[in-house]
Amino acid sequence: DTEVTQTPKHLVMGMTNKKSLKCEQHMGHRAMYWYKQKAKKPPELMFVYSYEKLSINESVPSRFSPECPNSSLLNLHLHALQPEDSALYLCASSQRTGDSPLHFGNGTRLTVT
Amino acid sequence: QKEVEQNSGPLSVPEGAIASLNCTYSDRGSQSFFWYRQYSGKSPELIMFIYSNGDKEDGRFTAQLNKASQYVSLLIRDSQPSDSATYLCAVMGSGGYNKLIFGAGTRLAVHP
Repeated sequence: DTEVTQTPKHLVMGMTNKKSLKCEQHMGHRAMYWYKQKAKKPPELMFVYSYEKLSINESVPSRFSPECPNSSLLNLHLHALQPEDSALYLCASSQRTGDSPLHFGNGTRLTVT
Repeated sequence: QKEVEQNSGPLSVPEGAIASLNCTYSDRGSQSFFWYRQYSGKSPELIMFIYSNGDKEDGRFTAQLNKASQYVSLLIRDSQPSDSATYLCAVMGSGGYNKLIFGAGTRLAVHP
């Protein structure tokens, strides 16, 4: 069982919907990440939060909006997505940015119709 | 562009054999290296991490690092069918650019 919890496990949304993905960790980690993974491809970094501040945005379209309310929680707000945004969205955490291993949650399988 | 290269496979080995998975990277300043296992439809699971040249062993897994050759490998001894998965090599970028760069992964198939 992973110590990084993501909800929901599956999400189907229309292109006009607004939804949010949630991620929670209680390992005391101070860095949290969002990754996107398409089928048969490696995970692609979207955002990095370090000590609750956004430190990396990998030129992600504004229809994806991250939020880190506190050191244990990470949200990804979704609005006006496209079908090509359908993917597995992975949250991860690490003790700090730099050399600490990332621990991934189970992911949210997103389908945009 | 900093890159991590892996043979996509599939690497097919018989049960009980040693599976050898290889990875090369382009960022000479990288200091942190990770191996993740990913079953189909699941999320990546951390298997090993290594920071220093040489070997690091954990149970049936051994990670090997050669920074001069920019090469990292993962050996799986006594391979089991349950080891069949995609193995992702990941390298932390250098120069304060705290980005974990993944290789495309090697698919391992262990047959009985």
